Amino acid sequence: SSELTQDPAVSVALGQTVRITCQGDSLRSYYASWYQQKPGQAPVLVIYGKNNRPSGIPDRFSGSSSGNTASLTITGAQAEDEADYYCNSRDSSGNHRKFGGGTKLTVL
Amino acid sequence: QVQLQESGPGLVKPSQTLSLTCTVSGGSISSGSYYWSWIRQPAGKGLEWIGRIYTSGSTNYNPSLKSRVTISVDTSKNQFSLKLSSVTAADTAVYYCARERMTNDAFDIWGQGTMVTVSS
Repeated sequence: SSELTQDPAVSVALGQTVRITCQGDSLRSYYASWYQQKPGQAPVLVIYGKNNRPSGIPDRFSGSSSGNTASLTITGAQAEDEADYYCNSRDSSGNHRKFGGGTKLTVL
Repeated sequence: QVQLQESGPGLVKPSQTLSLTCTVSGGSISSGSYYWSWIRQPAGKGLEWIGRIYTSGSTNYNPSLKSRVTISVDTSKNQFSLKLSSVTAADTAVYYCARERMTNDAFDIWGQGTMVTVSS
């Protein structure tokens, strides 16, 4: 399947660690990138490649991949991390992009 | 600091063609390391990749939209454009343009998005 599957919702206590996952066959061949989207705003790239953060993204955000699953980990979640998170990768053809359905992160 | 800005009509009638333009500022669209993409998001739903163009004019489209989508580039104006034909209410969404850095395989810069409503 060329789909990317994410859990619809995840919650984490303030200051704790949370992992958001993305599953798909194409992830065996291609890295995922991760985007944070807050209400009314455009998505922002937070992780790309093996585990790379754009300038300005806090180091509490990290990425990993194993088999058909990519993960975004937030170590020490902050209130401002409450947002929707989307994974993206290529599809099996390599020529098209695909987004996961998104995960709504709640920080308790 | 490269910035992207979408522009175009906010209201399109059913069966007509949706047309949007993305203007790139602070850098050249002809830089060889990027694809230029369109992505949309219906209200309360997830992101959907529509397609992308390279400055050579080479395109890739979402297979589910391919029959209705055309993306073009105007390097002289530092712009790229989206046309989506035969629109229905299901095409109502916020439309984003974004830069995809080839070496990073990621969308590193996004426009603010523009809302397009399909309604008579």
